[in-house]
Amino acid sequence: QSALTQPASVSGSPGQSITISCTGTSRDVGGYIYVSWYQQHPGKAPKLIMSEVKNRPSGVSDRFSGSKSGNTASLTISGLQAEDEADYYCSSYTSSNSVVFGGGTQLTVL
Amino acid sequence: QAQLQESGPGLVRPSETLSLTCTVSGGSTIDYYWSWIRQSPGEGLEWIGHIYSSGNTNYNPSLKSRVTLSMDTSKSQVSLKMTSVTAADTAVYYCARELGIGDAFDVWGQGTLVTVSS
Repeated sequence: QSALTQPASVSGSPGQSITISCTGTSRDVGGYIYVSWYQQHPGKAPKLIMSEVKNRPSGVSDRFSGSKSGNTASLTISGLQAEDEADYYCSSYTSSNSVVFGGGTQLTVL
Repeated sequence: QAQLQESGPGLVRPSETLSLTCTVSGGSTIDYYWSWIRQSPGEGLEWIGHIYSSGNTNYNPSLKSRVTLSMDTSKSQVSLKMTSVTAADTAVYYCARELGIGDAFDVWGQGTLVTVSS
């Protein structure tokens, strides 16, 4: 199975909004609601920040929002803060009863 | 809140078998899928496979021939065995709780680094 496609890096200034895309196929992202997003700070385990495309777990800032159109899911972070600087990964269920991750996006807060 | 702790050898010789255990505390292993996920140094996340409390398993097609997951519900443990390892299997290995088949991983262990080297 091929990894989902994410931009390698994105950047933004404090207070701005950024969007990270996650592109797959109809056999994964396009075919299921089970698209999730994870935030990973250096040396730490990933943390779930979005499930089922647009559901924010308890305790996750409402500055994070998710959406999906066709085979592409997106994570938007508004009001960027220094603490948002991290790597972000998407994942999706697939038609092969497996899970596939995106390659990851490094977010830099300028 | 459930907590997960991975354990096992930090060094494995090439061609040998990698064996890791994930111990679940503060919650039940019943009615959840439990996944193993790895991250090679400087690389992204790779899903290895998952197991349900009934014993049902699914694996990453690219690793399926070398991986076996098992579960001991009496000990609240999930185990990973990966055969014929090479340097490419050097990674931090995480166990994670899956909310449902293919759904989000809501609880993660801290991860354990496994190095494959002679």
